Amino acid sequence: NAGVTQTPKFRVLKTGQSMTLLCAQDMNHEYMYWYRQDPGMGLRLIHYSVGEGTTAKGEVPDGYNVSRLKKQNFLLGLESAAPSQTSVYFCASIPKYRGSGEAFFGQGTRLTVV
Amino acid sequence: GDSVTQMEGPVTLSEEAFLTINCTYTATGYPSLFWYVQYPGEGLQLLLKATKADDKGSNKGFEATYRKETTSFHLEKGSVQVSDSAVYFCALSSGAGSYQLTFGKGTKLSVIP
Repeated sequence: NAGVTQTPKFRVLKTGQSMTLLCAQDMNHEYMYWYRQDPGMGLRLIHYSVGEGTTAKGEVPDGYNVSRLKKQNFLLGLESAAPSQTSVYFCASIPKYRGSGEAFFGQGTRLTVV
Repeated sequence: GDSVTQMEGPVTLSEEAFLTINCTYTATGYPSLFWYVQYPGEGLQLLLKATKADDKGSNKGFEATYRKETTSFHLEKGSVQVSDSAVYFCALSSGAGSYQLTFGKGTKLSVIP
């Protein structure tokens, strides 16, 4: 059972390049989230989705776009990468009817923008 | 808005020492409270949770009690091991249809033999 899988695990980008991070979950969860983790900042919510075809902004959405065309996949895009987007990105999913909001996390993507 | 404040580390303890990591929160309504643990190079894993006031969450020797009167959810363990070295995050979910998690900044724990 794979759970939440993030692709790629590591990436180095040059300033101005674009890329897409893929999050895939095989647990049929309705809710999916993208967080970034920076030293001393904890995890901050970038965007989230409460269902297929829906997305919403989180705390730090600027410079990112997302799409949820299929229930199991949640894509995070960087159109023009900036050094400030150097971070570790985590995807998470939550089932709608679990009741408590327990999240399942991927292993993370370490992105460096030079 | 919702917020979580936890003691900042790093915290260094000797093996078998007692651990407390303080966590307080601000939220509307009745949030669920969580402790997540992140081992080096890995994603976050749920350690324990509590969904209503006075509930005690426990797992792997760790405990935390949901105290509504003090808006706290402090993490404790009676005897830490080297394998407990990790970053610990306190978090809350206020539900409200999207179950967004609000995290504290994390506390890095190092346990030395």
